[in-house]
Amino acid sequence: GAVVSQHPSWVICKSGTSVKIECRSLDFQATTMFWYRQFPKQSLMLMATSNEGSKATYEQGVEKDKFLINHASLTLSTLTVTSAHPEDSSFYICSATGTGFQPQHFGDGTRLSIL
Amino acid sequence: QKEVEQNSGPLSVPEGAIASLNCTYSDRGSQSFFWYRQYSGKSPELIMFIYSNGDKEDGRFTAQLNKASQYVSLLIRDSQPSDSATYLCAVKEGGSEKLVFGKGTKLTVNP
Repeated sequence: GAVVSQHPSWVICKSGTSVKIECRSLDFQATTMFWYRQFPKQSLMLMATSNEGSKATYEQGVEKDKFLINHASLTLSTLTVTSAHPEDSSFYICSATGTGFQPQHFGDGTRLSIL
Repeated sequence: QKEVEQNSGPLSVPEGAIASLNCTYSDRGSQSFFWYRQYSGKSPELIMFIYSNGDKEDGRFTAQLNKASQYVSLLIRDSQPSDSATYLCAVKEGGSEKLVFGKGTKLTVNP
C-alpha cells in the first residue's frame, strides 16, 4: 500500500519553457503533499507543503510565482516550474501523507534538465 | 533552528555484519521518527518509523528511540550488498506534518 506515482520521470526542455510535474496518491487519500528538490550529493530540500483545496505554503527562499503548486484533489498535486532556466535543473520529488500518524511516502522523482 | 544530525560516513561494513546508523535531533517536541533509504539517483524509500521509546523490529531492521537522549538509531542485521545506499533520518516537527531530514549516512556493504 501507500503508493505515490510521479510523472514524468525525466524532462529535458529549452530555457524559458514551463514544465508541469504531477504527483498522485494511488491507494490512499493524501491530505498533505510535499514538494522537495535535491541537487547532486545534497540532501532533500523542502520547497512547499500543500493541503487539498488550500494554497500551498512555501519555504523561505522559494519563489511561489515560479513554482506553482496546485492540490485540487485528495489524490493529485501538481508542480509547475514556470519559465525554467538552467539553474532550475534538479531532481524534484513529491511525497504524500494521509490522516493520522502516517509516514510520508515518496514518488519516484522527476529529473528536470533545462538546456 | 530544528536540526537532525547524522554522521555522513561513509560507513563501510562487510557482508553479514551489523550496520549501525545513528541520528540525533534538537526538537524535544518531536513525536515521530523515520528512516528512509535512498539509492543513488532514486527517491527516498521508507524503511522504518518509530513513535515510542524502545526498539521496533521489522525483518533485518531494528529502529531504536530514546527521547530523553534525543537519539534514534537504525540497526541492519546480516547486511547485504543491496543495502548499500544513503540512509536518511527524518523527524516530524511537533505540531506539523513537515519532516526535518538529516544529511544522510552513506552505507557501503562489501561482499
